[in-house]
Amino acid sequence: LAKTTQPISMDSYEGQEVNITCSHNNIATNDYITWYQQFPSQGPRFIIQGYKTKVTNEVASLFIPADRKSSTLSLPRVSLSDTAVYYCLVGGHYNQGGKLIFGQGTELSVKP
Amino acid sequence: GAVVSQHPSWVICKSGTSVKIECRSLDFQATTMFWYRQFPKQSLMLMATSNEGSKATYEQGVEKDKFLINHASLTLSTLTVTSAHPEDSSFYICSATHSVGRETQYFGPGTRLLVL
Repeated sequence: LAKTTQPISMDSYEGQEVNITCSHNNIATNDYITWYQQFPSQGPRFIIQGYKTKVTNEVASLFIPADRKSSTLSLPRVSLSDTAVYYCLVGGHYNQGGKLIFGQGTELSVKP
Repeated sequence: GAVVSQHPSWVICKSGTSVKIECRSLDFQATTMFWYRQFPKQSLMLMATSNEGSKATYEQGVEKDKFLINHASLTLSTLTVTSAHPEDSSFYICSATHSVGRETQYFGPGTRLLVL
């Protein structure tokens, strides 16, 4: 399973766009890239998933370059409630047993 | 859609007792369920993978006789912490997937276990 590397922490202010980049140099052909959000004492919440190029949903965008060795989660106009830990995961394909291995995550702090 | 529940949400028990935690997929059939453990200020650590009707696959370093996993149906998996000790106190989280190929994991809310 590919290892991921993210910044340990990031600070932002309300209303700003936040971009969190994750590197995954050893990503395999079948691997998908998935981002989760976790609040204290809660289970992770699915944010977005992609394989290549760009994916957008109602809460975020995911940018994946052609070589897929990195990905960037973009959160538009963050609010205080976006303060959480964000995890980038690679893998989850059935031929790997569907496993996901969590890295350290990025602790995002949004200030007023 | 894709809602996963856990019960109980928190439990306090005496050292030496066994504790059972349930994980249910409420609106989909889960081909695979996963169990994680998370200590304070740390990331999630995968403990085991559970497929319906078969034995769980444990990650290296996880005692299968200590953490019993049963996946009796496509909507229910249970984790039993046997003879719990204070060092087993942690936040236990399950997840479930329902697709073959691109298996997005949906997580439960977690169960806080405190062993006295």
